[in-house]
Amino acid sequence: EAGVAQSPRYKIIEKRQSVAFWCNPISGHATLYWYQQILGQGPKLLIQFQNNGVVDDSQLPKDRFSAERLKGVDSTLKIQPAKLEDSAVYLCASSLSPGHEQYFGPGTRLTVT
Amino acid sequence: AQKITQTQPGMFVQEKEAVTLDCTYDTSDPSYGLFWYKQPSSGEMIFLIYQGSYDQQNATEGRYSLNFQKARKSANLVISASQLGDSAMYFCAMREGGLRSGGGADGLTFGKGTHLIIQP
Repeated sequence: EAGVAQSPRYKIIEKRQSVAFWCNPISGHATLYWYQQILGQGPKLLIQFQNNGVVDDSQLPKDRFSAERLKGVDSTLKIQPAKLEDSAVYLCASSLSPGHEQYFGPGTRLTVT
Repeated sequence: AQKITQTQPGMFVQEKEAVTLDCTYDTSDPSYGLFWYKQPSSGEMIFLIYQGSYDQQNATEGRYSLNFQKARKSANLVISASQLGDSAMYFCAMREGGLRSGGGADGLTFGKGTHLIIQP
């Protein structure tokens, strides 16, 4: 069974530029999460989807971050414009449904210069 | 207040020894779940073990066990017979609310992690 796929694995951009990350969850997993992990800290939830609907985006900085999961499968997280403090690893996770174990992808390491 | 506290930023342990990684948590919800994840240098978060707040027995998964002390709000991870491949960051995480049935927000709240280094 294929795991959670993410791309790109690494991205370097200048501040004020925009960037997008892609995630493809494990087949059949209805729930998808995006986490932000700043160096030296644990991951922090940004947004949770159930199928193509948002369940929780209370910690998503909506002035610059957006995410979508239009067909209820893969998802895109966008930052526009990026700030220096957005430098982090962005982890995507999926689960069969809320309440089940979350499986994480390899992450996208973003560096904003 | 922090919901998950891991007080050991780093630990050095000799190979084959047992190691205990500390985790305390804070919640007023009677229903919650506690998780431990391993994050090697490659960056991927690997699920290790889960303990539900209503589980009567401590969870075990191979060499991993969870020492769950509900009254103390403690959920320490014990790794028996440590191996060189156990060197990694370890994160304790919590999910609040009873969510095994139905939908609902169940994002995990993570601690800051413990960097475990196994020495030969």
